[in-house]
Amino acid sequence: AQTVTQSQPEMSVQEAETVTLSCTYDTSENNYYLFWYKQPPSRQMILVIRQEAYKQQNATENRFSVNFQKAAKSFSLKISDSQLGDTAMYFCAFMKRWGNTPLVFGKGTRLSVIA
Amino acid sequence: NAGVTQTPKFQVLKTGQSMTLQCAQDMNHEYMSWYRQDPGMGLRLIHYSVGAGITDQGEVPNGYNVSRSTTEDFPLRLLSAAPSQTSVYFCASSYSGQVPGSGNTIYFGEGSWLTVV
Repeated sequence: AQTVTQSQPEMSVQEAETVTLSCTYDTSENNYYLFWYKQPPSRQMILVIRQEAYKQQNATENRFSVNFQKAAKSFSLKISDSQLGDTAMYFCAFMKRWGNTPLVFGKGTRLSVIA
Repeated sequence: NAGVTQTPKFQVLKTGQSMTLQCAQDMNHEYMSWYRQDPGMGLRLIHYSVGAGITDQGEVPNGYNVSRSTTEDFPLRLLSAAPSQTSVYFCASSYSGQVPGSGNTIYFGEGSWLTVV
């Protein structure tokens, strides 16, 4: 079974600064996807970024980028130029590449961006 | 969260009562799932379905039943509610075999807040 661990229950960052959220995972699979989801106070689940395990290049989406270390099973999210609207819960998630399996989520990191 | 409708949004139950959380989608998605979200626990998978007539258990299935008689609907039943089932419940759907991103999306409902007293 796959497990996803987020070791930082809460973090805070000053507006315009950079913050990194950590995620580690455990799997015996070689082909899989990793995701970061954002959940604002509205509880909506918003996909922030995804990474294919077979790609060595780290994914980026505007101010969001990841540091994917496959051998270490680490998948951290870096948010640059933090904005007040980035305040939310952030979930790291795992999905096998094959087999119609569901997302497996970590416990989440609550990020507060401070003005 | 257009396309995935959860009802009710809020519900208070007494211990031992039964109820059904409804989930419906109009996107012809084969894949549907139920998660519960508890403080400090993230989202945990309860049950999922890869198509009409097919269901499977997730991480925390005890106390919950599901059925998938149509592609559109995936109700979650609590047979005898317990205080430990107080949680926020999310239904999600997607096309079978599609991975989120690059134009593919898992659609989440807006959540159902359940309190068992």
